[in-house]
Amino acid sequence: NAGVTQTPKFQVLKTGQSMTLQCAQDMNHNSMYWYRQDPGMGLRLIYYSASEGTTDKGEVPNGYNVSRLNKREFSLRLESAAPSQTSVYFCASSEQGGPYEQYFGPGTRLTVT
Amino acid sequence: DAKTTQPPSMDCAEGRAANLPCNHSTISGNEYVYWYRQIHSQGPQYIIHGLKNNETNEMASLIITEDRKSSTLILPHATLRDTAVYYCIVRPSNDYKLSFGAGTTVTVRA
Repeated sequence: NAGVTQTPKFQVLKTGQSMTLQCAQDMNHNSMYWYRQDPGMGLRLIYYSASEGTTDKGEVPNGYNVSRLNKREFSLRLESAAPSQTSVYFCASSEQGGPYEQYFGPGTRLTVT
Repeated sequence: DAKTTQPPSMDCAEGRAANLPCNHSTISGNEYVYWYRQIHSQGPQYIIHGLKNNETNEMASLIITEDRKSSTLILPHATLRDTAVYYCIVRPSNDYKLSFGAGTTVTVRA
């Protein structure tokens, strides 16, 4: 039982390049989330998926797209990376939305030059 | 518009109980109190949550005041591995997101 896994662990992009961050969970959870954490800051929600087939914007969705590929996988895509997107990205999952705890992955450290 | 207020930092001696306060004076009736922690460079880790009653699990205890305007997370026997940033979060039962503030940086000293 690996919990929440994320790939890659580290990535360096040039401005304008695109990439997809992958996330998978093996806990049979319905809800999945993408957060970003800037240096010295708390986490901010980018997008979430309440259940398979649905996605919704969080606090900071601009510049990102998401895909809930199936119940296990939730990907985050940067179409045209900008230096302001340099951050650590965390994926999380929970049994459902509402008062259920979220379980986080180890993070992807992204630098955009 | 901060929903919770926590001290920025605190020290604790190894083996002693760590008591982490959190003020949430504007909490609503349907909002839960959650505690997470983040050990350096890792993803946040769920600790405990509660609505009205005190809660205990294998990691910690959560004490919520009767008026629900404040709470305390208790780590009963702090170890060096408990050094982390601890986040107190207030969240409605029907909300998906967790809003992380600055948290309390807890340093456990030998």
